[in-house]
Order: sequence, then C-alpha cells, then structure tokens
Amino acid sequence: EAGVVQSPRYKIIEKKQPVAFWCNPISGHNTLYWYRQNLGQGPELLIRYENEEAVDDSQLPKDRFSAERLKGVDSTLKIQPAELGDSAVYLCASSLDAGDNEQFFGPGTRLTVL
Amino acid sequence: SQKIEQNSEALNIQEGKTATLTCNYTNYSPAYLQWYRQDPGRGPVFLLLIRENEKEKRKERLKVTFDTTLKQSLFHITASQPADSATYLCALGGIAAGNKLTFGGGTRVLVKP
Repeated sequence: EAGVVQSPRYKIIEKKQPVAFWCNPISGHNTLYWYRQNLGQGPELLIRYENEEAVDDSQLPKDRFSAERLKGVDSTLKIQPAELGDSAVYLCASSLDAGDNEQFFGPGTRLTVL
Repeated sequence: SQKIEQNSEALNIQEGKTATLTCNYTNYSPAYLQWYRQDPGRGPVFLLLIRENEKEKRKERLKVTFDTTLKQSLFHITASQPADSATYLCALGGIAAGNKLTFGGGTRVLVKP
C-alpha cells in the first residue's frame, strides 16, 4: 500500500515569491493534516481537514498561507508571498479519522527561502 | 501556556542497554499520548499509543508508561540496537486540546555498537 505522497521534496525560492506544496494521503483516510517542522523541533499543526472541511486552521497564518482539499482527497498548501522565516519542512499526514488514531506522515517538503 | 518537554540533549547509549526517554508536560490534560520515531529527512513514524486510563503499554522491545499525576511519560527501548538510532517524539492529544496532536521537540538517540 502506498504511503502519503508529497511533492516536491525540496524547494528553493527567493523571498516574496509564491510556493505550493502537494499532498496525496493514504486512500480511505478522511483526516488530513499539514504540519510545519523547524530544525530541532517537533511538528506544529497548521491545518486539519475532515474530508474537504477545514476543522482546525487556528495556527495557519492566513495573511499569507492558504490550503485546500478538493473532493476530500488531495490537498495543496500555498504560501504567497514567502518570507525568510517560512524556511522549514512542511509535512503532510493522514489518518482514518481524527482522535487518537495514528497519523501517517509523508516525507515532507524542505523549503528554503533566500 | 501548554508546554511539552523532552530532553533536547542527545542520548548516547551502548548497544544492548536500555534507553529511557522522558516526556513531561504542564498546563495540559491529555486524553492520550503517542510516541513517534523520526529518521533524518523523513516524516515521523508512529510507534505506540497510550491512553490516560492506561499505565503501561508494550510493543516488542518498546515500553511506554503514562503517569497523569506526575504529568510524565517514559519511553523505554530495551536491548537497544544501532538501528534504533533516531529522534523520538512524544505527542499529546485529546478533546480538551481541540483533538489535535501537540508534539514535543524530540530526543535524539544514538546507539553505539
């Protein structure tokens, strides 16, 4: 069974440029998460989807970040414009449902903003 | 504010010994706690779940304890192997926290042959 797929794996952009990340969760998983992980720290939740509905986006910087999950499957996370402080690894995860179900993580996208 | 603390210093341990990692939390009443393993350049991988009404969970060479009075979880790797070298993350969750996982900073473990 395929795991969570993310692309691209690496992205280098200049500040003020836009960038987008794509995630394909495990088939049948209703819940999808986007996390940001800074070096030496644990992942921090940005947004959680239940099917196509964003049920927790309290940590998403809405002035520059946006996300969507069309048809409750794939998801994209966008930053526009990017800032130097956005450099981090962006992780996508999915689970059968919310609650205490284990989360399956993708390999992440390492973003470097110059 | 809610705080989750894991030892930020790397744990160096000899092969065959038991590695013990701690996860302490404050201003938090989690309904459950999960432990994940993360290798460099990869996403975290789920290892164990323990709920607030459980004291101990085991899986192969792994053991987790959860003390809601001390607000602490201990994670043990017995008979450690070099392949166990990785960063281990604890994560707390529950309805009181909006049903989301909050991760600690992780502890890096290095098992020497």
